Amino acid sequence: QKEVEQNSGPLSVPEGAIASLNCTYSDRGSQSFFWYRQYSGKSPELIMFIYSNGDKEDGRFTAQLNKASQYVSLLIRDSQPSDSATYLCAGNTGKLIFGQGTTLQVKP
Amino acid sequence: DGGITQSPKYLFRKEGQNVTLSCEQNLNHDAMYWYRQDPGQGLRLIYYSQIVNDFQKGDIAEGYSVSREKKESFPLTVTSAQKNPTAFYLCASTQEDINRQYFGPGTRLTVL
Repeated sequence: QKEVEQNSGPLSVPEGAIASLNCTYSDRGSQSFFWYRQYSGKSPELIMFIYSNGDKEDGRFTAQLNKASQYVSLLIRDSQPSDSATYLCAGNTGKLIFGQGTTLQVKP
Repeated sequence: DGGITQSPKYLFRKEGQNVTLSCEQNLNHDAMYWYRQDPGQGLRLIYYSQIVNDFQKGDIAEGYSVSREKKESFPLTVTSAQKNPTAFYLCASTQEDINRQYFGPGTRLTVL
């Protein structure tokens, strides 16, 4: 079992819709979680991090953490074509463990 | 202008050659990391260093070597022992208080 798992997708949503990206993890010792966005051929850029149960909002992005169920999610409201990218989830166990990423396609 | 730089952006290697990828940061971060990314895959940790003159193996260290002689620099050598080195290599550094990693632009290595 991979330590951090994501559905590779692609996840396709129409412009203006809510995109929901999910991630599960196996190590209950994970202290915090990170969402990175990676455009094709580029390096990952940090979108959000979360370490407490519940929701954390930043603009159009909301990260959700449920430690009991061991899942993390990222919601993108009012999705734009520029949001089309691969989204990487990472858990912090003292070092970052990355999932394989979910490809999001936002169609105009 | 703070950040992480990696060079070269593209690198071609012949079979049997060692090559060294450069990573420099001026963020005053203590910890630095090297990752490898294959197409359609997440990032896999090769080596990391939390202080100068000390480093640890990650999950896929075989065929790679590193040094950390200065806080700002963490070069990665891909040796001839690495049988499938073609990949995208990413260097990162971390803030001390939160394990939030900042990535360099990456080096794409291709074996000819």
